[in-house]
Amino acid sequence: NAGVTQTPKFQVLKTGQSMTLQCAQDMNHEYMSWYRQDPGMGLRLIHYSVGAGITDQGEVPNGYNVSRSTTEDFPLRLLSAAPSQTSVYFCASTFGVFGNTEAFFGQGTRLTVV
Amino acid sequence: TQLLEQSPQFLSIQEGENLTVYCNSSSVFSSLQWYRQEPGEGPVLLVTVVTGGEVKKLKRLTFQFGDARKDSSLHITAAQPGDTGLYLCAGGVYNNNDMRFGAGTRLTVKP
Repeated sequence: NAGVTQTPKFQVLKTGQSMTLQCAQDMNHEYMSWYRQDPGMGLRLIHYSVGAGITDQGEVPNGYNVSRSTTEDFPLRLLSAAPSQTSVYFCASTFGVFGNTEAFFGQGTRLTVV
Repeated sequence: TQLLEQSPQFLSIQEGENLTVYCNSSSVFSSLQWYRQEPGEGPVLLVTVVTGGEVKKLKRLTFQFGDARKDSSLHITAAQPGDTGLYLCAGGVYNNNDMRFGAGTRLTVKP
């Protein structure tokens, strides 16, 4: 069982470049979310989705876009990368409402913006 | 400001010792979860507590949800090196489809 798959695992970008972090899950979960993890700050919610075609902003959405065209995929786009976006990014999916059911996480994407 | 404050931030103990880590907030949560994260991996769920005052035990781990649903604690008995990791608490927010995390407690258990 693949669970939640994130690609790439590592990425280095130059300031101003754009890129898409991919996230796919094979558990037929309706709920998916993106977090960034920075030292001393835990995981902070960027964007989340409660189903195909429905997305909403989390705590730190600025500089990121998402879309949810299928149940399986939830890509995160950085439109113009900035050094402040250097972080480890995690995608998660849950069967039910976040916080009430188990969240399954990918292995993360470590992004460095220079 | 973190919605969930975890303490201590770092904890280093010897194998066999007991420990307690805390997760506190001024907000009320519909549920609270504890996750454990190892280097290079995503967090993995340990437990979900949903009822104020609830206590759950998983082998040597005991989890408690505060009566007011604002805080939680994780107690480990006779810690082992395999317990080493980052322990994160996460709260389900009422009337909102998201989950907020604390900054975590990084536990090191020395043989």
